[in-house]
Amino acid sequence: SAVISQKPSRDICQRGTSLTIQCQVDSQVTMMFWYRQQPGQSLTLIATANQGSEATYESGFVIDKFPISRPNLTFSTLTVSNMSPEDSSIYLCSVGALPGANVLTFGAGSRLTVL
Amino acid sequence: QKEVEQDPGPLSVPEGAIVSLNCTYSNSAFQYFMWYRQYSRKGPELLMYTYSSGNKEDGRFTAQVDKSSKYISLFIRDSQPSDSATYLCAMSAPYNTDKLIFGTGTRLQVFP
Repeated sequence: SAVISQKPSRDICQRGTSLTIQCQVDSQVTMMFWYRQQPGQSLTLIATANQGSEATYESGFVIDKFPISRPNLTFSTLTVSNMSPEDSSIYLCSVGALPGANVLTFGAGSRLTVL
Repeated sequence: QKEVEQDPGPLSVPEGAIVSLNCTYSNSAFQYFMWYRQYSRKGPELLMYTYSSGNKEDGRFTAQVDKSSKYISLFIRDSQPSDSATYLCAMSAPYNTDKLIFGTGTRLQVFP
């Protein structure tokens, strides 16, 4: 399956600032997915990023807070805007692991701590 | 009620033990069932997946799905200290190709 690289792997941020997370995949994929894993919680889908169109956001997540770019079939960015301590989480990029199956593979994640 | 329920543990077992990890779910439309392993400070790693009901075996790992009971299990035989991690179950429905529903994860510790 695809190999996913995420940057940064971790960061400590100040309240009110924004941070952009990058996701690079070693093969072309139609859809890329951004998940959040809050401390002690399960993974929650933030949005689906398709190349050439606006991202589709899940309930509770909005574009102003989590703008996403998808400039080509191997790359996407997620920005966490105007951060607060509640945004301290692991942010994970994922893509399909197997053709025709609803099975995902994940990057190593970006661990953000907001002070 | 959450769509997917998973006992958070922690589960502590001696090396060599058989480990049973379980999830229950409420949505009968789920058809894909996955188990991920997540080491501390790492992303989830896909261990196994099953489509619909039945068993699947891969080395020391066996995944079982019982759709009539809405219950899935992951068995680890001859557990090793390197199996110490958090195990997450995840499920998806064919009509919703972009959304996996995850359990909260069970933390497993295998001690020598």
